[in-house]
Amino acid sequence: SQTIHQWPATLVQPVGSPLSLECTVEGTSNPNLYWYRQAAGRGLQLLFYSVGIGQISSEVPQNLSASRPQDRQFILSSKKLLLSDSGFYLCAWGDSMNTEAFFGQGTRLTVV
Amino acid sequence: GQSLEQPSEVTAVEGAIVQINCTYQTSGFYGLSWYQQHDGGAPTFLSYNALDGLEETGRFSSFLSRSDSYGYLLLQELQMKDSASYFCAVRGGSTLGRLYFGRGTQLTVWP
Repeated sequence: SQTIHQWPATLVQPVGSPLSLECTVEGTSNPNLYWYRQAAGRGLQLLFYSVGIGQISSEVPQNLSASRPQDRQFILSSKKLLLSDSGFYLCAWGDSMNTEAFFGQGTRLTVV
Repeated sequence: GQSLEQPSEVTAVEGAIVQINCTYQTSGFYGLSWYQQHDGGAPTFLSYNALDGLEETGRFSSFLSRSDSYGYLLLQELQMKDSASYFCAVRGGSTLGRLYFGRGTQLTVWP
């Protein structure tokens, strides 16, 4: 069966520090991968979308970036965090038809 | 671009029926999904409609009208554990159909 791992679960980082969040998927190949951000009490904002290794689409201009160095690995990064980067970051994968997305357990990031 | 509108809050009592509406605007449409999210947890998939009509899965049903850019989630025989946020999501945009989510509806079920 397919599983998705996302870590860390909780992270507190100072303003201006770098960020690296990692997500890996098991049990499937060539998944579509997503990074979403959810502010407190709000909806899920699509940040990045990837259909394959090295293929990243950015949905919202920001100081975040994403990379997909391997088929089942998706990384969210920032060189310098801002206070506004705080939120709940969710990684998800979908099959080729994108009819259903499977989410990781999320990383709650607090920038202080 | 894509936009989805759904009510921010809905309340109901146990055993009741509640309907959560969703209207959407998207450039390219492939289907409408519904997800449930409990506090602090990850969203989980409930249903997907690609064609017009009603899809039933146990106590939950989902409806889609593509001509009206409208759908709803119907929850029957409400239970306390159904208290959660419910998101509609449109599969749209590019030909590969990315998933865009609404802002969510907080459902509170009272005893």
